[in-house]
Amino acid sequence: GAGVSQSPSNKVTEKGKDVELRCDPISGHTALYWYRQSLGQGLEFLIYFQGNSAPDKSGLPSDRFSAERTGGSVSTLTIQRTQQEDSAVYLCASSLPKAGGYTFGSGTRLTVV
Amino acid sequence: AQRVTQPEKLLSVFKGAPVELKCNYSYSGSPELFWYVQYSRQRLQLLLRHISRESIKGFTADLNKGETSFHLKKPFAQEEDSAMYYCALIGGNTPLVFGKGTRLSVIA
Repeated sequence: GAGVSQSPSNKVTEKGKDVELRCDPISGHTALYWYRQSLGQGLEFLIYFQGNSAPDKSGLPSDRFSAERTGGSVSTLTIQRTQQEDSAVYLCASSLPKAGGYTFGSGTRLTVV
Repeated sequence: AQRVTQPEKLLSVFKGAPVELKCNYSYSGSPELFWYVQYSRQRLQLLLRHISRESIKGFTADLNKGETSFHLKKPFAQEEDSAMYYCALIGGNTPLVFGKGTRLSVIA
């Protein structure tokens, strides 16, 4: 596609429910990244994929968070048993391998009530 | 460990005044430094990178390895420069590490 597409753009969920966030990267970008943006905390790295494999999962905050990527394209970030502290904007970005110029999506704003 | 520090959460300047957004980094090797910008209701986007040594929208940034800094500068601020600015670093094969950001407010 022309840009990085994320869905949904907004998600309100009840505490304890599971949510799935989707990212569709730029065609041909083999690297895909998930970040979390919250007020006062800047951009917190969560996980990245090179192709379908995730060499670095160090940023996932807890075992309630997981992510997968299939076909070297679409990625889903899953948060199980959501907590109020999970409320944030979840950003996805893609790039060519080892490139620092990332293209970001518009994000998913997650609110846990 | 890689770390990016942006000491100012908020910077307010008058239109036409010079702007300097500070960024310091911590990395033992040779990093690649970037500035990203997020305008209101828009996506985060790349503003400039140190290896390009270019000026974008009047902004420049010079990598100072001695001071481990990569400050963003513009001689005359414009109202449309109001945005959130993030400094970021890549070292080795790791993903971008971002600072916490500085909100620039340009007052007319």
